[in-house]
Amino acid sequence: AQSVAQPEDQVNVAEGNPLTVKCTYSVSGNPYLFWYVQYPNRGLQFLLKYITGDNLVKGSYGFEAEFNKSQTSFHLKKPSALVSDSALYFCAVSPISGGYNKLIFGAGTRLAVHP
Amino acid sequence: DAGVIQSPRHEVTEMGQEVTLRCKPISGHDYLFWYRQTMMRGLELLIYFNNNVPIDDSGMPEDRFSAKMPNASFSTLKIQPSEPRDSAVYFCASRRDRPNTGELFFGEGSRLTVL
Repeated sequence: AQSVAQPEDQVNVAEGNPLTVKCTYSVSGNPYLFWYVQYPNRGLQFLLKYITGDNLVKGSYGFEAEFNKSQTSFHLKKPSALVSDSALYFCAVSPISGGYNKLIFGAGTRLAVHP
Repeated sequence: DAGVIQSPRHEVTEMGQEVTLRCKPISGHDYLFWYRQTMMRGLELLIYFNNNVPIDDSGMPEDRFSAKMPNASFSTLKIQPSEPRDSAVYFCASRRDRPNTGELFFGEGSRLTVL
């Protein structure tokens, strides 16, 4: 079965420190990969995506993600965390089997950035 | 653009009542998706439309759920009769077909509570 795993329910980091939110996936073929962020009582907002090309992709608000095909991972990173980055982060994959239309989401990782 | 607009934002109803959730996608977007978010099951794709035509409704939990898209600017998700286990946040999302960047634009969600 196709799936997305976010192994950490919560990540705690001090403001100014680097952060990493982990994501691995189990999907056949070459899926599209995404990160979305959700603030309290809001919808999901697109952060970044990987379709093809350079394994390091840059997105909104200073976030970036590294695609590793051999490890089937797509970890989200930021060099210096801000308190305002505190939110729920979702990794998602869009497999070719669904015509790239069916996004499969991970369970989400809550990021808490402390002053 | 106003983004994806959903109504109502909050709905509290009693078991057995009919519930209708509404969505206005971003103008010019060809695809519309309905997702459900719960603590237990995370984000689940219920159904999606392309050019107002339902393409995949395999995620619709049972016959009590139905969705329509009578035109390019309006979609409804109906639950009849509603049950307490339907309590969740329901999100509508849309995207354009060309170019297909894969990025979804989400509404702010409709929080449904069935008593």
